[in-house]
Amino acid sequence: QVQLVQSGAEVKKPGASVKVSCKASGYIFTNYHLHWMRQAPGQGLEWMGIINPNGGITKYPQKFQGRVTMTRDTSTSTVYMELSSLTSEDTAIYYCARECASCYRFDPWGQGTLVTVSS
Amino acid sequence: EIVLTQSPGTLSLSPGERATLSCRASQSVTSISLAWYQQKPGQAPRLLIYGASSRATGIPDRFSGSGSGTDFTLTISRLEPEDFAVYFCQQFGDSLYTFGQGTKLEIK
Repeated sequence: QVQLVQSGAEVKKPGASVKVSCKASGYIFTNYHLHWMRQAPGQGLEWMGIINPNGGITKYPQKFQGRVTMTRDTSTSTVYMELSSLTSEDTAIYYCARECASCYRFDPWGQGTLVTVSS
Repeated sequence: EIVLTQSPGTLSLSPGERATLSCRASQSVTSISLAWYQQKPGQAPRLLIYGASSRATGIPDRFSGSGSGTDFTLTISRLEPEDFAVYFCQQFGDSLYTFGQGTKLEIK
């Protein structure tokens, strides 16, 4: 079955960077886009960007440009999301999710990775 | 940025009742890009409805979506105990995905 498995929880200090992984299985990795979202405690969902594993093209919303980098490793069917210059406001659960090209929906989602930023 | 406003913030109903959840957009949204998700505590969101009215694979037919333009609705015809959760709407427009703030459906 289609599955996205993310790396484990992280604790980081302000100013540091974090890199979260998302390993895909059960489908052809390069046939689907992967997105990253985050959810701060008790809050809604926020879209952080998209990576096309077929070629590695990325697109980020203006809010995260310059601070987020999404990459992929086709040999292991894994995508990565790195967020730099962390502050306490980046404390959130980070999710990866799959999208077929121009489908405008996310299915399935990874289990989530809690990133805590604290001094 | 297209802002999605969900109402009510919290909906208190009993099993067996009908639930109607609203998602209103700050400007017109293409129906193909409107989706609904269910999220239970400690879990990732699960896709329920896409294209405003199509049920995702494995979703029971008591869930239905409707609407167009700026007003969309998720209806649960007869609530089951497992339906009490938070529901989010989502859209794609102006090269940006945005989500509503969620409606919490709680047991009365």
